[in-house]
Amino acid sequence: EADIYQTPRYLVIGTGKKITLECSQTMGHDKMYWYQQDPGMELHLIHYSYGVNSTEKGDLSSESTVSRIRTEHFPLTLESARPSHTSQYLCASEGVVRRDVSSTDTQYFGPGTRLTVL
Amino acid sequence: AQSVTQPDIHITVSEGASLELRCNYSYGATPYLFWYVQSPGQGLQLLLKYFSGDTLVQGIKGFEAEFKRSQSSFNLRKPSVHWSDAAEYFCAVGVYSGSARQLTFGSGTQLTVLP
Repeated sequence: EADIYQTPRYLVIGTGKKITLECSQTMGHDKMYWYQQDPGMELHLIHYSYGVNSTEKGDLSSESTVSRIRTEHFPLTLESARPSHTSQYLCASEGVVRRDVSSTDTQYFGPGTRLTVL
Repeated sequence: AQSVTQPDIHITVSEGASLELRCNYSYGATPYLFWYVQSPGQGLQLLLKYFSGDTLVQGIKGFEAEFKRSQSSFNLRKPSVHWSDAAEYFCAVGVYSGSARQLTFGSGTQLTVLP
């Protein structure tokens, strides 16, 4: 498995607060992704990155922003959280995992951040 | 645009019984197909994937899936289910956007295993 981490795992916050969801991976993967998953629903791609200084918006429109200053980090920021942002946010990275030569072109997911905005 | 359909929202099977989870996709070219499993409070774990070659692919935890181009399907199977298999299962199709791959997921199938 790829080593990909997300913090915090759970976050409950009030409306209007600025929040940053952290995602980091130690595999040196260039490609990273953020997905949003509402309860009982499928995942939707909201942001992705080809590498450092590259960010793109995904299929689902999102008020969040991302940055990619370092290969291993891909943080997601909400400038002013609202109840409609309540969801689970999953980060993924893509690339070869050293222990698994067949891992090319596979996305590996972090444990997710469950965000609740009151 | 690509899409994935998992027609079964919830499936219940007895431990030891066989399992088949259905997945149908829509995509204009040969797809890259994946099955992921998500346990409560956990992220997604890759079970198996199909890129090309043998249409029957083996995955972890005793799972396998068969790609059938004529039916646009990639159904997941397991001959004997264990209680620890209870989870939500997602089928996904991967397409390239530039040099990054976008995964489009189905809505998931929740599996309950009875003792």
